[in-house]
Amino acid sequence: KAGVTQTPRYLIKTRGQQVTLSCSPISGHRSVSWYQQTPGQGLQFLFEYFSETQRNKGNFPGRFSGRQFSNSRSEMNVSTLELGDSALYLCASSLRDRGHYEKLFFGSGTQLSVL
Amino acid sequence: KQEVTQIPAALSVPEGENLVLNCSFTDSAIYNLQWFRQDPGKGLTSLLLIQSSQREQTSGRLNASLDKSSGRSTLYIAASQPGDSATYLCAVICGATNKLIFGTGTLLAVQP
Repeated sequence: KAGVTQTPRYLIKTRGQQVTLSCSPISGHRSVSWYQQTPGQGLQFLFEYFSETQRNKGNFPGRFSGRQFSNSRSEMNVSTLELGDSALYLCASSLRDRGHYEKLFFGSGTQLSVL
Repeated sequence: KQEVTQIPAALSVPEGENLVLNCSFTDSAIYNLQWFRQDPGKGLTSLLLIQSSQREQTSGRLNASLDKSSGRSTLYIAASQPGDSATYLCAVICGATNKLIFGTGTLLAVQP
């Protein structure tokens, strides 16, 4: 069974540009959540999607957005990039049936560098 | 506001030693707690999940305990090996959501 797949693995962008990251969850998983990891702030929650609906959102500016498709694949977009957006972006998936708490499975991440 | 802290921040031990990593959280109203390991530049690998109603979970050489009332969890690693070298993170879920609140991590080095 394939794990969580994130593409691309590495990205280099310049300030002001926008970027789209992709995440394919484990087959059958309907919940996808996104995290940002930086040396200074550690791991911080961005948002969670379940069945194409955003269920929860972290404390990030509106430049960070996401969506989930009918096949559970998810994308996150960051517009008007800033130097501080340089980070490892991690995606996680789970079965997420209501009231049933499953392990989260993480992808290898997308390393974004903003110059 | 839930805060999760891990002590120590870094730990170096000789191969074969048993060790304990600590995780503390400020709000005891958690749904579950997970332990992860992260290798440099990689994603997270889930090690153990403890539901709020459970006291401990075991997998191979790993044993995790949970004491909600005191806001603490420990990860015990038996007979450590160099391959155990990684950053270990604990994380809690506080509601009907997949929003994990992560600790600060413990960087473990097992010396051969």
